[in-house]
Amino acid sequence: GAVVSQHPSWVICKSGTSVKIECRSLDFQATTMFWYRQFPKQSLMLMATSNEGSKATYEQGVEKDKFLINHASLTLSTLTVTSAHPEDSSFYICSARTGAVSRELFFGEGSRLTVL
Amino acid sequence: DAKTTQPTSMDCAEGRAANLPCNHSTISGNEYVYWYRQIHSQGPQYIIHGLKNNETNEMASLIITEDRKSSTLILPHATLRDTAVYYCIVRVDNYGQNFVFGPGTRLSVLP
Repeated sequence: GAVVSQHPSWVICKSGTSVKIECRSLDFQATTMFWYRQFPKQSLMLMATSNEGSKATYEQGVEKDKFLINHASLTLSTLTVTSAHPEDSSFYICSARTGAVSRELFFGEGSRLTVL
Repeated sequence: DAKTTQPTSMDCAEGRAANLPCNHSTISGNEYVYWYRQIHSQGPQYIIHGLKNNETNEMASLIITEDRKSSTLILPHATLRDTAVYYCIVRVDNYGQNFVFGPGTRLSVLP
């Protein structure tokens, strides 16, 4: 199947700093990517839908000024957690579809953020 | 998208078939049934999907009842590496729409 890659796979940062997570579609172009967050022992929760060349669409309760999403190209979307706090510690996962013909959604490996 | 109901957890002996049920009694005619799994600390992995007919691939088989109100994912010969949370998702085929994940079924394959 198609490959979606995230970087970094894990990151530890101090409270108040900003962290950027990259999501790349390696062998296909994705006009839409999705960002999920997963807390321990919970299911995935959609944070935002990232659209290439336009603003992201955020789910209710997700602060757009705290979780900055940039989808500058058809193969790269970034999520920046600004002024991170310990409660932002979580597993962040991105996903993308290969196109209108393919019905599967492919996921990255996930990025584990720990804020001290 | 239609809501799904899955058992919270299941056990299966290694080498035996694992049958994971999913109830989606409110599914509409244009909604597909998808199955994903998530091994601990990894992103979800696509397994299989179908609309009406039963489907089989190298990973699993998907059996959808004739009324489409329920389905079963079958892992024919479960291995320890199949221990994961399995998610059943029903949704329309819309490129721009996300997948909504429920709590899933935690499958433990026992030696």
